[in-house]
Amino acid sequence: AQKVTQAQTEISVVEKEDVTLDCVYETRDTTYYLFWYKQPPSGELVFLIRRNSFDEQNEISGRYSWNFQKSTSSFNFTITASQVVDSAVYFCALRGPSGTYKYIFGTGTRLKVLA
Amino acid sequence: NAGVTQTPKFRILKIGQSMTLQCTQDMNHNYMYWYRQDPGMGLKLIYYSVGAGITDKGEVPNGYNVSRSTTEDFPLRLELAAPSQTSVYFCASSYGPSGGNEQFFGPGTRLTVL
Repeated sequence: AQKVTQAQTEISVVEKEDVTLDCVYETRDTTYYLFWYKQPPSGELVFLIRRNSFDEQNEISGRYSWNFQKSTSSFNFTITASQVVDSAVYFCALRGPSGTYKYIFGTGTRLKVLA
Repeated sequence: NAGVTQTPKFRILKIGQSMTLQCTQDMNHNYMYWYRQDPGMGLKLIYYSVGAGITDKGEVPNGYNVSRSTTEDFPLRLELAAPSQTSVYFCASSYGPSGGNEQFFGPGTRLTVL
């Protein structure tokens, strides 16, 4: 069975602090894809990044970075020097190989960045 | 390119009423999905479609119906609304079937059943 666990329900940090959002997944597929989405207070879900199971390179995009480790089945998301605009709910998701339809979402982590 | 559009944005229904939530995408995506998000919770899949004329149930299909007569449109029908259907409904699409394709989400419909 496939499963995504985001154990951190809510995190509060003060602006400029670094914060890491954890995502642990379970799957028996050898080919799979992982995603992060952001849901700001406006409510719309915004795609942030995808990673396939064969690419364990970490990725950095501005203040955002992602650490994918197959050995621990984790795909963690770090925000450096957090800002108030980063306040949102962040979802991690898993999808199987080509031909599968379903995205498995975690329950989300609510990040509050305080000024 | 409007992406995924949903109407209405908000709606209040009385118990027992019916309504259709509209969803349209202009990206020529094969796969379309309906999710509901209850307060403070994640996304639950209601129905999905892999192409025109093909639909299937997700995790929580009871009380809902869908149709997919065109690639662009994927309406969700609520029959006999119940308070348990109070939620935010999101429509999404992806350029299936590659697993690496991300989903694009609509802005959501906030539904209250009183």
